[in-house]
Formats: sequence, C-alpha cells, structure tokens
Amino acid sequence: SQKIEQNSEALNIQEGKTATLTCNYTNYSPAYLQWYRQDPGRGPVFLLLIRENEKEKRKERLKVTFDTTLKQSLFHITASQPADSATYLCALSDTGGFKTIFGAGTRLFVKA
Amino acid sequence: DTAVSQTPKYLVTQMGNDKSIKCEQNLGHDTMYWYKQDSKKFLKIMFSYNNKELIINETVPNRFSPKSPDKAHLNLHINSLELGDSAVYFCASSPPGTNPGETQYFGPGTRLLVL
Repeated sequence: SQKIEQNSEALNIQEGKTATLTCNYTNYSPAYLQWYRQDPGRGPVFLLLIRENEKEKRKERLKVTFDTTLKQSLFHITASQPADSATYLCALSDTGGFKTIFGAGTRLFVKA
Repeated sequence: DTAVSQTPKYLVTQMGNDKSIKCEQNLGHDTMYWYKQDSKKFLKIMFSYNNKELIINETVPNRFSPKSPDKAHLNLHINSLELGDSAVYFCASSPPGTNPGETQYFGPGTRLLVL
C-alpha cells in the first residue's frame, strides 16, 4: 500500500541553523509533492509544491528537493527562527489532484 | 475575511447520535475536500468534490454522507456515531486548474469527541 514516512521524532535545532526534514515514500508515483505547515489546533497551511520533473524549488528561506529515484524529498529551512516551530507535513498527489496522501508530519522546535 | 470556515469548532456527542459539520469557502474554488486527522496526526482524505460532484470516496463508511448544495459549501453528515469517529475533521478547498489539488486551503478543523 502507499506509504509516506517522515522523521517520527521531533527535530530540535538552534536558532539560525538550517533545519532539514525528510519525507520518504513507497508504492507511489506522485505527480507532485507538497509541504504544509501545521500549528497546534489549526489547519495545515500550504508552503511549497514541487513537480515530479523538478529537482529543487525555493521560496524565501525554504528549499525543497525531490528525488523520484530515491523516492525522497528534503525540506530545508535556512536561518531558522523560533517562529518556525511547528509540525511540517509532506503530501503527495496523483495526476488528477483529487487524492492527496499526507505523512504524519515532523515536529520542529527552534530554540532561541 | 475567512477563506475556509467550519462549524462547529467543537462537537461532543454520545455514541449513536447523528451530527453534521458545515464547511464554506469564499475563495471561488471548484474543488472541496474532507479530511480526518486521528490521534496519531495522520491526515486522511475522505471525500473530494469538484463542481458539486463526488470525485473521490476513500472507502469511507456509509454512515458518512457529504453534501454539496453549491460549489462554496461541502457539508458532512455522520449517522450513528461511533467511538472511533472521534478525531479532528478538516475541510479544504483548492482552485481550478490542471491539477486541482496542487494548493489546498484548509479550514480550522472540527474537533469531534464521541462519548
């Protein structure tokens, strides 16, 4: 069955450092991959999308890489800030876009 | 200003009851979704609707019946509630395009607790 795995343990880093989150998937050939941020008690918020034919995408302090051979995406937050502390969800969508599957998320704590 | 809104925010009810959750989006989107997020934080797709038509029903029990009276609304009715239905339910919408699900806007969630 389709499966998405993200770092199950929380990630603790110091302010100013780069946070790197991993998303691995199996039994799936996604048309694109997305990263969302979720704060406690709130709905996910879209951050970045990368397509199957793209290797890397950037947006301000965020960078996503996508390796369809390894079936892996890496999500980087550079110059991290305490306000970046949240749960980050990886999501995969098929070509039609009507079915998206989510990973369980990685909890990120950025210490001042 | 609210993009995707859900009511109620909290719902506490007894097993066997029937309840509804409402969702509205004012973004002019064509596609709407219902997700369930359980205690392990997995967000699972339940239903996808496009222009008021059901596209995806992800093996959800018949006790769950979505209804889309117009493109801006997708309500979820649940019959005979069970303990396992306790979760946070999120509504989402996405704009029209080649791949409708590319950017999804989520509501604040409805926290359902079945006693």
